[in-house]
Amino acid sequence: AQSVSQHNHHVILSEAASLELGCNYSYGGTVNLFWYVQYPGQHLQLLLKYFSGDPLVKGIKGFEAEFIKSKFSFNLRKPSVQWSDTAEYFCAVTPLNNNDMRFGAGTRLTVKP
Amino acid sequence: DGGITQSPKYLFRKEGQNVTLSCEQNLNHDAMYWYRQDPGQGLRLIYYSQIVNDFQKGDIAEGYSVSREKKESFPLTVTSAQKNPTAFYLCASTTGTGAYEQYFGPGTRLTVT
Repeated sequence: AQSVSQHNHHVILSEAASLELGCNYSYGGTVNLFWYVQYPGQHLQLLLKYFSGDPLVKGIKGFEAEFIKSKFSFNLRKPSVQWSDTAEYFCAVTPLNNNDMRFGAGTRLTVKP
Repeated sequence: DGGITQSPKYLFRKEGQNVTLSCEQNLNHDAMYWYRQDPGQGLRLIYYSQIVNDFQKGDIAEGYSVSREKKESFPLTVTSAQKNPTAFYLCASTTGTGAYEQYFGPGTRLTVT
């Protein structure tokens, strides 16, 4: 089965700093890729997803991610973080045409005001 | 209001007892999932079901059982064979295959003493 690695367990940034969270997956075939966010006390929700086409995808709240197939990576970026971005971020992957979704361990982001 | 409901929010059980966690969705989604969330380990897939009367084991199915008799419902039983049952359990659902986002319920925190 596919697997996902997120390299950073806890990231602490000041407001207005740039963000990049790493995500690498392991799978031999074509995949769909996702980033989810879990704000404190709230449900997991989708930030963005990639399934085909332009490898640079834009999501909600100014987030974007780039799929680099040769590196099996799908890193999440935001040019300028806000205090309200404090949350836990999860990368996930499914094989093409399959509902078997696997998540990474998550990265906790703390943004200091 | 469409969504996923999980009940109860908090559940306490004595060691050696089986316990069933409820998950209901009114989104008309075909696929449903159960995850376990532990600090630092992200979401780990327990079971998933793509259609009624069918389900597949995830990475950590041992000590758990599920049923899918109705499209709307996917209950999870934590049996006495599960060695570390205390955790936060999340139910999710999705429509379509592969590139569709999962919608998550609010979760059930199970404590076994």
